[in-house]
Amino acid sequence: EPEVTQTPSHQVTQMGQEVILRCVPISNHLYFYWYRQILGQKVEFLVSFYNNEISEKSEIFDDQFSVERPDGSNFTLKIRSTKLEDSAMYFCASGRQSNTGELFFGEGSRLTVL
Amino acid sequence: AQSVTQPDIHITVSEGASLELRCNYSYGATPYLFWYVQSPGQGLQLLLKYFSGDTLVQGIKGFEAEFKRSQSSFNLRKPSVHWSDAAEYFCAVGPQYSSASKIIFGSGTRLSIRP
Repeated sequence: EPEVTQTPSHQVTQMGQEVILRCVPISNHLYFYWYRQILGQKVEFLVSFYNNEISEKSEIFDDQFSVERPDGSNFTLKIRSTKLEDSAMYFCASGRQSNTGELFFGEGSRLTVL
Repeated sequence: AQSVTQPDIHITVSEGASLELRCNYSYGATPYLFWYVQSPGQGLQLLLKYFSGDTLVQGIKGFEAEFKRSQSSFNLRKPSVHWSDAAEYFCAVGPQYSSASKIIFGSGTRLSIRP
């Protein structure tokens, strides 16, 4: 069964460093998303991406964040200068071509900022 | 404003007992409705979804949920829980007919199973 894959599973970084989280969505999906879950809290929407551009972003997704689909298969989330409060589990998701609204999630990348 | 409320933060039930997890939503129109489960350290797995039609939907692992428009609710049920059902459960809503629909999650209900 096709699945969304994310790398790395866990990354530890120093405050102020740049981090890139990678995702390989399901191959025939066209809608891509990043969500964040701070430990013990709810899953929060960060950004959606369709047709090679951002469709919607939350207030969390400030200028320190960017997304890219560099090669037609990967979907990346970059945090330019990490802060302590960026420590969280980051989930990538993709949606079907027909946009039924159902999202398929990866297993997440845990980011720890020291 | 769009929102999802899961009023129960933590529920403990005995193995073999029935389960109902509550979910209420606030939305401008009839949304898509979902229940996801998250086991410790794992990602989000879809249990079931409601788009239209029969308001009682069946999902994986023996779960079902009922959409009640009049109550803006989408409660999750299981007749007999198993120890492996211990996890975090998230109710979620998404818009119909959107070009890039995002899903909004509730705050989750943690389910513990008493042996």
